[in-house]
Amino acid sequence: DTAVSQTPKYLVTQMGNDKSIKCEQNLGHDTMYWYKQDSKKFLKIMFSYNNKELIINETVPNRFSPKSPDKAHLNLHINSLELGDSAVYFCASSPGTGDNEKLFFGSGTQLSVL
Amino acid sequence: GQNIDQPTEMTATEGAIVQINCTYQTSGFNGLFWYQQHAGEAPTFLSYNVLDGLEEKGRFSSFLSRSKGYSYLLLKELQMKDSASYLCAVRDSNYQLIWGAGTKLIIKP
Repeated sequence: DTAVSQTPKYLVTQMGNDKSIKCEQNLGHDTMYWYKQDSKKFLKIMFSYNNKELIINETVPNRFSPKSPDKAHLNLHINSLELGDSAVYFCASSPGTGDNEKLFFGSGTQLSVL
Repeated sequence: GQNIDQPTEMTATEGAIVQINCTYQTSGFNGLFWYQQHAGEAPTFLSYNVLDGLEEKGRFSSFLSRSKGYSYLLLKELQMKDSASYLCAVRDSNYQLIWGAGTKLIIKP
């Protein structure tokens, strides 16, 4: 029944490791996103993927790479994890990119880099 | 730069009314959203304003003044379950969502 599901819920890892977070939506939406929410609670867009077009936020280090095997999935792979990567990562989807189209969020992945 | 300002924290009493303000300075404007986020959970959509005025939805209402770069979320008949953070977000001219840091609302009995 879950509309946007992401796994894992919690991820604790060492600096320098590579990890992935998976996201799936069963809403039939065309657009998916990855957001990072830091300790100050700001939500910052990392990537958005609209059908076949990936929009990369230039402030995201290239250690972060999204992968979309199909329209319903947008996974996030992170190489060489750093302490500053510790945050909550939210996947989200929307029907498109129109003015009033609201976002549906996954439950978040709390990443802790030690 | 682009900026969304909201109070960091507010406290209100169960059964009362509270108004959470949001001011914004963005490159263009294509709508303003309010989301609710309970601690440890995902944000969920509350309201959307693109024209000036008040949008009412049950106990929650949202107001927009584009000329003043200002919005507020009004919560009536407060319940304990309304304790959460309330996030204001503005869609700019590039259709990117710019988010505020959220207002943590604490409801006391």
